[in-house]
Amino acid sequence: GQQVMQIPQYQHVQEGEDFTTYCNSSTTLSNIQWYKQRPGGHPVFLIQLVKSGEVKKQKRLTFQFGEAKKNSSLHITATQTTDVGTYFCGVRRDSSYKLIFGSGTRLLVRP
Amino acid sequence: DAGVIQSPRHEVTEMGQEVTLRCKLISGHNSLFWYRQTMMRGLELLIYFNNNVPIDDSGMPEDRFSAKMPNASFSTLKIQPSEPRDSAVYFCASSMTGGSQETQYFGPGTRLLVL
Repeated sequence: GQQVMQIPQYQHVQEGEDFTTYCNSSTTLSNIQWYKQRPGGHPVFLIQLVKSGEVKKQKRLTFQFGEAKKNSSLHITATQTTDVGTYFCGVRRDSSYKLIFGSGTRLLVRP
Repeated sequence: DAGVIQSPRHEVTEMGQEVTLRCKLISGHNSLFWYRQTMMRGLELLIYFNNNVPIDDSGMPEDRFSAKMPNASFSTLKIQPSEPRDSAVYFCASSMTGGSQETQYFGPGTRLLVL
């Protein structure tokens, strides 16, 4: 079956430091979505990547889709306390409706 | 615009009791996903409906779990009888048509504790 690995599991940073989470698949992906879940909250959609090598930016967040469409990264520049939460990747293979979620990376930011 | 609505937000029950979770989709959406989130297993898809029809129930743990979509905007997830290992956060999510590039909009979740 399709496996999705997300690393690291946890990251504790000082406010102002950068943060990166990685999502790796054993199979080629159709697209990947990133979600953020605040503590006690629900997953909220951030962005979708579809094309090989695609890079998208949202303010301090940079999202990348690998050339082989098997991996992706989310990078946050100069973290703020509002960035605290768990970041999930959700991947799709072929043209499936089904999103397979990674285990998430929990980000803690020290003020 | 109202997002996905779930009720109850919290449920504490005793083992063996029936639990019913409810979900109202975003107006205009016709696809519904029920997920379960636990520390051990993460976010798992339980069942997917499209146009009120269950398309994929392969994630439903066992016969104790059942889900219905009696109309285009409402769904229930029932656990009978409940067991302590069912304790989790249950989310429903909706999307416009269930397409392979669509965003899923999650509800606030129901936090279930089975004692």
